[in-house]
Amino acid sequence: AIRMTQSPSSFSASTGDRVTITCRASQGISSYLAWYQQKPGKAPKLLIYAASTLQSGVPSRFSGSGSGTDFTLTISCLQSEDFATYYCQQYYSYPRTFGQGTKLEIK
Amino acid sequence: EVQLVESGGGLVQPGGSLRLSCAASGFTFSSYAMHWVRQAPGKGLEYVSAISSNGGSTYYANSVKGRFTISRDNSKNTLYLQMGSLRAEDMAVYYCARVKVATSGAFDYWGQGTLVTVSS
Repeated sequence: AIRMTQSPSSFSASTGDRVTITCRASQGISSYLAWYQQKPGKAPKLLIYAASTLQSGVPSRFSGSGSGTDFTLTISCLQSEDFATYYCQQYYSYPRTFGQGTKLEIK
Repeated sequence: EVQLVESGGGLVQPGGSLRLSCAASGFTFSSYAMHWVRQAPGKGLEYVSAISSNGGSTYYANSVKGRFTISRDNSKNTLYLQMGSLRAEDMAVYYCARVKVATSGAFDYWGQGTLVTVSS
């Protein structure tokens, strides 16, 4: 199985900050990568697919980049509603696998 | 409006069985592959199982292979997960998820989840 490793696992930031979350795959996955946002008690929400394509309805302050094994999710100007846990997921091969999550907290 | 509504969760003893359902509406269910993903309390997301749009192909995580069976009834717009030989480590919120068109595995819609508790 392809292992997905996110960093950091958690960190604190302030409204208005620019933040970047990294996801590394244990082997090349081309651009078969998605990013999700999850808030407590809620289902995950798709933000980005194909590594860099913004899902319809997702604010443009979210962006994704990368291919192969290294990927990033960037939030250009944090809003209060962005404090949540973020997961990357590869869909290059089965089993589909998720990163362990990055919890973004208010500083 | 696309909706996925899971049901069937509850308390079950170790070694017991449970069947989860996921009722779909607002889209042509028979055209989409569907998946189950679970999340243990306070933990991350874990992939469980997948089924193709016509039910002809299925996939299982090693952790559930031989114990869980995924199926679907396209005439009822419903996805199922039959779970057997349940263990404490199967306790989780189970989500059904739809695969986004033109991708092979990004999940664009999720249900609200149903909680499975495995305890004696």
